[in-house]
Amino acid sequence: GQQLNQSPQSMFIQEGEDVSMNCTSSSIFNTWLWYKQDPGEGPVLLIALYKAGELTSNGRLTAQFGITRKDSFLNISASIPSDVGIYFCAGRGGGTYKYIFGTGTRLKVLA
Amino acid sequence: DAGVTQSPTHLIKTRGQQVTLRCSPKSGHDTVSWYQQALGQGPQFIFQYYEEEERQRGNFPDRFSGHQFPNYSSELNVNALLLGDSALYLCASRPGLAYSGGANVLTFGAGSRLTVL
Repeated sequence: GQQLNQSPQSMFIQEGEDVSMNCTSSSIFNTWLWYKQDPGEGPVLLIALYKAGELTSNGRLTAQFGITRKDSFLNISASIPSDVGIYFCAGRGGGTYKYIFGTGTRLKVLA
Repeated sequence: DAGVTQSPTHLIKTRGQQVTLRCSPKSGHDTVSWYQQALGQGPQFIFQYYEEEERQRGNFPDRFSGHQFPNYSSELNVNALLLGDSALYLCASRPGLAYSGGANVLTFGAGSRLTVL
């Protein structure tokens, strides 16, 4: 099935470091969502973006809607052990209800 | 405020059997979508229900069918199970399709883990 390209695929970082990940699409999107999924759980919404160029923060998390409308970025500042998990981007184009999800970025934080 | 609830949480079936998964949307939501998440992959859109009708369908065979009830709850049915149907099935709800902006956000349940042997 169709999936968005997310990078990096996985990363190990030290506690306190900043993290950056991105998501790219071949299609233009009107909405970008970022989710975090813990083992055995469903995805939990972190940030929603609705406009090209939009920059939105949620605590230590900041996400941006790329100006080309084909990409989005998520940054986590001063990572902590509970940031461990899988981060997914999801995009939705015009004229459709479905979201297309990325392949996921697996984050591991070393204390 | 109850979130999205799904049942059962885990189940094991054999090839050729049929399965029904259930979902109750978050309070105030009337639109339900189903996603399939294979191990190590992102969720894949199966279909969405609003006003008891299937509004959009992803690239899944007719073996996958659904239903939405007047109380907005939903069921996902899969017939003639294949080994490849083993996955986490996620239900997501949102406010009505008439809304835009923040209403586009999906709230997910914890999922139903299906194993086909």
